[in-house]
Amino acid sequence: GQNIDQPTEMTATEGAIVQINCTYQTSGFNGLFWYQQHAGEAPTFLSYNVLDGLEEKGRFSSFLSRSKGYSYLLLKELQMKDSASYLCAVRDRGNAGKSTFGDGTTLTVKP
Amino acid sequence: EAEVAQSPRYKITEKSQAVAFWCDPISGHATLYWYRQILGQGPELLVQFQDESVVDDSQLPKDRFSAERLKGVDSTLKIQPAELGDSAMYLCASSEGLAGAYEQYFGPGTRLTVT
Repeated sequence: GQNIDQPTEMTATEGAIVQINCTYQTSGFNGLFWYQQHAGEAPTFLSYNVLDGLEEKGRFSSFLSRSKGYSYLLLKELQMKDSASYLCAVRDRGNAGKSTFGDGTTLTVKP
Repeated sequence: EAEVAQSPRYKITEKSQAVAFWCDPISGHATLYWYRQILGQGPELLVQFQDESVVDDSQLPKDRFSAERLKGVDSTLKIQPAELGDSAMYLCASSEGLAGAYEQYFGPGTRLTVT
């Protein structure tokens, strides 16, 4: 099974950088996803990590350390529209690739 | 751009009634997922299909919930009878396959309120 932990809430200022952490415990790891979910909307894909290291995609970067069971999502040059919930999801090695989601981190960006 | 379609978007029903949700995944996506999301929590997988076969329904309350994907394309999730605790957002998602970096594409969801 999976156990995923994320901070519940974070606040940051427009233009700043914020790091959202995710720790996990799993019986079999086969990748980690980050999704963004605006209030009342469906989640949308941000990033995928399966190997250790940093994946950069524009203003968003995601890091993975498999040995530590740890990932973070880094958001640069924050914009007001980045206010949303950020969900970490860990994929099982078995179980037909089942992904288990954390409860999400609600990020509020202030002017 | 292709999208996952869901209907209805909102549903209000009384407890003990039956309710059904429909999902049409992105064309060509073999894997279809139904999730339940309670406010303030992450999506919880209810059932996962690969084509027309169920590959995971370990969290599906089978005494009242059922799901089918008869031709391996669209899918229906049914609740009978509905209970107050079933009030939540029901999300459908699809992906190209099971393995690899296949992200899930989510539909807009059905918000269910049981009164």
